[in-house]
Amino acid sequence: DTEVTQTPKHLVMGMTNKKSLKCEQHMGHRAMYWYKQKAKKPPELMFVYSYEKLSINESVPSRFSPECPNSSLLNLHLHALQPEDSALYLCASSQVRGQGSPLHFGNGTRLTVT
Amino acid sequence: EDQVTQSPEALRLQEGESSSLNCSYTVSGLRGLFWYRQDPGKGPEFLFTLYSAGEEKEKERLKATLTKKESFLHITAPKPEDSATYLCAVQGDSGGGADGLTFGKGTHLIIQP
Repeated sequence: DTEVTQTPKHLVMGMTNKKSLKCEQHMGHRAMYWYKQKAKKPPELMFVYSYEKLSINESVPSRFSPECPNSSLLNLHLHALQPEDSALYLCASSQVRGQGSPLHFGNGTRLTVT
Repeated sequence: EDQVTQSPEALRLQEGESSSLNCSYTVSGLRGLFWYRQDPGKGPEFLFTLYSAGEEKEKERLKATLTKKESFLHITAPKPEDSATYLCAVQGDSGGGADGLTFGKGTHLIIQP
């Protein structure tokens, strides 16, 4: 079992809905990440938090809004999404940002936008 | 810009037939090369980190090696449960979102009984 827990496992939402994805880790890691993965493609980095501060925003559309309430929790708020945003959204954590620290992934939220 | 190329894209083996997966990379200042296993509908599962040329890591039937330009994931006497997509990723000084990972497209491995 993964030590990074993501909820919900599946989410279907309309283009006018607002929803949130949640992620939790209890490994004491101080860096947390959101990745997006389309079918048969590798994960793509969306956001990085280091010590609860947003370090990198990879020019992701503003309809995706990350939040890091504390060192164990990470949220991704979704609003006015498009059908092409349907994908597997992965949360990951690492001991620290960079420095060769491996990322540990959750099992993702499968998002479908209708 | 960091780049990772994995080959082959897909590989079908008989149970017990050993083989190797290749990961070629270019990176500015390698901080780490990572191997992951991903099952359908699941997140990537961390396998190994390699930091410098000549380093080797082993876990059960898997062995990862690293040179200055590529890494190999050797699979010895595989079993059907080893079927998965294997992802290679690098972290460099300036690529991958500056501390995220740059992934290859993966090798889809099928082990037939």
